[in-house]
Amino acid sequence: EAGVAQSPRYKIIEKRQSVAFWCNPISGHATLYWYQQILGQGPKLLIQFQNNGVVDDSQLPKDRFSAERLKGVDSTLKIQPAKLEDSAVYLCASSLRPVNQPQHFGDGTRLSIL
Amino acid sequence: QQQVKQSPQSLIVQKGGISIINCAYENTAFDYFPWYQQFPGKGPALLIAIRPDVSEKKEGRFTISFNKSAKQFSLHIMDSQPGDSATYFCAASSSSGGSNYKLTFGKGTLLTVNP
Repeated sequence: EAGVAQSPRYKIIEKRQSVAFWCNPISGHATLYWYQQILGQGPKLLIQFQNNGVVDDSQLPKDRFSAERLKGVDSTLKIQPAKLEDSAVYLCASSLRPVNQPQHFGDGTRLSIL
Repeated sequence: QQQVKQSPQSLIVQKGGISIINCAYENTAFDYFPWYQQFPGKGPALLIAIRPDVSEKKEGRFTISFNKSAKQFSLHIMDSQPGDSATYFCAASSSSGGSNYKLTFGKGTLLTVNP
C-alpha cells in the first residue's frame, strides 16, 4: 500500500510569513495526525482528526496554526504568521482507528524560519 | 500525567552486541506501548508494540520487556547491526479516553552500532 504522502519536503521562509503543508494519508485511514518534531526531541501532537472532525487540538497554537481535513481525506496545516520557534519538522501520520493503533508516518516537511 | 522518560540519550554498541533502551511512565492509564525507529530524513516507523497483559514480546531481533508494577518498559536489540543505527522512540497511550488517547513520545535514543 502507498504510504503517507507529504509535501513539500523542505520549506524556508522568513519570520512573519505564512506557510502551508499538505498531507495525503493511507487510503482508508480514518484518523489523521499532525505532529511537530523539534530537533533532538520526540514528535509532539498538534492536532488529531477523525474523518473530518477534530478529536484533539489541545496543543495547537491556535493564534497562528490552523488545520483542516476536507472530505475526510487530505489535510493541510497552515502557520500564519511564522515565528522563529516554529522551525521544526512537521510530520503527518494516519491510522485505521483513533485508539491505540499503529500510526504510519510520512517523511515530514522540514521548516526553517529565517 | 503524560510524561514518558527515556534513557539513555545516546548509545554506542559494537556489531553483534545487545542494545538496551529504557523508558518509564507515570500515567497508570497507559495501556499501549509502541517503539518507533527513525532514520535521518525519514518519519518514525513502528518497530514493535506491547500491551500490559504480557511481560515480553519478541519480533525477530527486537524484544520489548514490560514491568507493570515498576511502570517501566525496555527495548532490547539482539545481535545489533550497523543498519540498526537510528533514533529510537518509546511512546505510550491509553484507551481510557480524553487526552489519554494521545500518543506521548519519549525524547529519543540515538543508537550507533559500530562495525
